Amino acid sequence: KQEVTQIPAALSVPEGENLVLNCSFTDSAIYNLQWFRQDPGKGLTSLLLIQSSQREQTSGRLNASLDKSSGRSTLYIAASQPGDSATYLCAVKSNDMRFGAGTRLTVKP
Amino acid sequence: DVKVTQSSRYLVKRTGEKVFLECVQDMDHENMFWYRQDPGLGLRLIYFSYDVKMKEKGDIPEGYSVSREKKERFSLILESASTNQTSMYLCASSPHGLAGRGGYEQYFGPGTRLTVT
Repeated sequence: KQEVTQIPAALSVPEGENLVLNCSFTDSAIYNLQWFRQDPGKGLTSLLLIQSSQREQTSGRLNASLDKSSGRSTLYIAASQPGDSATYLCAVKSNDMRFGAGTRLTVKP
Repeated sequence: DVKVTQSSRYLVKRTGEKVFLECVQDMDHENMFWYRQDPGLGLRLIYFSYDVKMKEKGDIPEGYSVSREKKERFSLILESASTNQTSMYLCASSPHGLAGRGGYEQYFGPGTRLTVT
């Protein structure tokens, strides 16, 4: 059974810092990996989707990488802003979709 | 623009009541999903559907049923609500794929916060 782990569980950084969120998974036989953002009490907003054949995807200040063989993905956020404060979830699609517990990010002004 | 809507943002029900949570997507997606999200447990799949009138159990189907009579609408039913079903319920949809498989992106609704007293 696929297990997805996100480290750290919480992260607090000053505004302007570049940061990396980590996601690891146990079974490398995946279709894709998706990064989401969730604001308190709200649904999930898709940020980036990386297909199993891809190594990375970029959207604005966000860059996600995928290393299937090592079971890892990273989400890089450049020049962080207070509006980036949210919980970031990664989800791995194998036969089903498995979610990590998330990293709660706080960006301080 | 992709849109998944859920009938209620907040819902308060009494123990034993029958509860309907509705989800509608306007993207002509084949696949639809119901998850619940609880602190410390993350998102867990309750049921999913890959076609009209088709349904598959997820990880935690006990106490729930679903209905998909039309492609755009997927309903989650709590036959007799219990306090342990107090949770955030999230609906999602994705295009294509047999039995929920495939490499396509999932889109989520805003969630329904259900409290059972």
